[in-house]
Amino acid sequence: DADVTQTPRNRITKTGKRIMLECSQTKGHDRMYWYRQDPGLGLRLIYYSFDVKDINKGEISDGYSVSRQAQAKFSLSLESAIPNQTALYFCATSDSGTGATGELFFGEGSRLTVL
Amino acid sequence: GQSLEQPSEVTAVEGAIVQINCTYQTSGFYGLSWYQQHDGGAPTFLSYNALDGLEETGRFSSFLSRSDSYGYLLLQELQMKDSASYFCAVLSGGSYIPTFGRGTSLIVHP
Repeated sequence: DADVTQTPRNRITKTGKRIMLECSQTKGHDRMYWYRQDPGLGLRLIYYSFDVKDINKGEISDGYSVSRQAQAKFSLSLESAIPNQTALYFCATSDSGTGATGELFFGEGSRLTVL
Repeated sequence: GQSLEQPSEVTAVEGAIVQINCTYQTSGFYGLSWYQQHDGGAPTFLSYNALDGLEETGRFSSFLSRSDSYGYLLLQELQMKDSASYFCAVLSGGSYIPTFGRGTSLIVHP
C-alpha cells in the first residue's frame, strides 16, 4: 500500500459543486501539504499544515479550504468548483528531518475536471 | 518573491550525458532540491544541495553555486526510463517549504 494515499484519483464535476479531496498517510509525518499542478506551471502550494492545530495558506489558497482531521489526514475542499480549478492535485508529507532537506513524499495525485 | 528558471524541454540520446540548469532568485536561501516526475505521476525526490559543490548519487549528480544563484542536475549514461519531467525547488525563508520551478521535460531518444 502507498504511504500517501489520495482519494479520489479522478473526479469530473460541474461548476458550482462542492468537492473534497482526501489525503491520508502512514508515514507518521507531522507536516502535510496540498499542491496544484497545471501544465507548464510546475507545482504550486495551496495550503500546508505542520501539525493538527496548524493550518497555513500557500501561494494560491483562494477558492480552497482545508481540514486537518488527524495527524494522518488532510483534506482539501473546493466549496464551489469553477472550470479554472481543473488541475492535478497532489498531497505531500514531510517531517522536521526530511523537511529540512526539502524532501517531500507525494501521493499519486487526484485529477479534477470541472465542467 | 521567489522565482526559478529552468528550460522547458531538453532532448538527448540514450547513453549520453545531459545537464538541466536552474537559476533562482529568492531571499533567505537554504538550499536547492531536485525532483523527478513520470507522466503526471507522483514527483519523487532526487537530491538536495545546501552547500556549494557537486553531490553524486549513482548516475545522477546535482550542483549548486550559491554565489551565482545557480544549480544543475546532471544525468549520466542516459536510459529511456529517464524520460520524465525534472523540477528544481528552492528552500528559503523560515518555513522550509519547497517552491518549485516550472519543470523541464527530458526526452531521451534511442
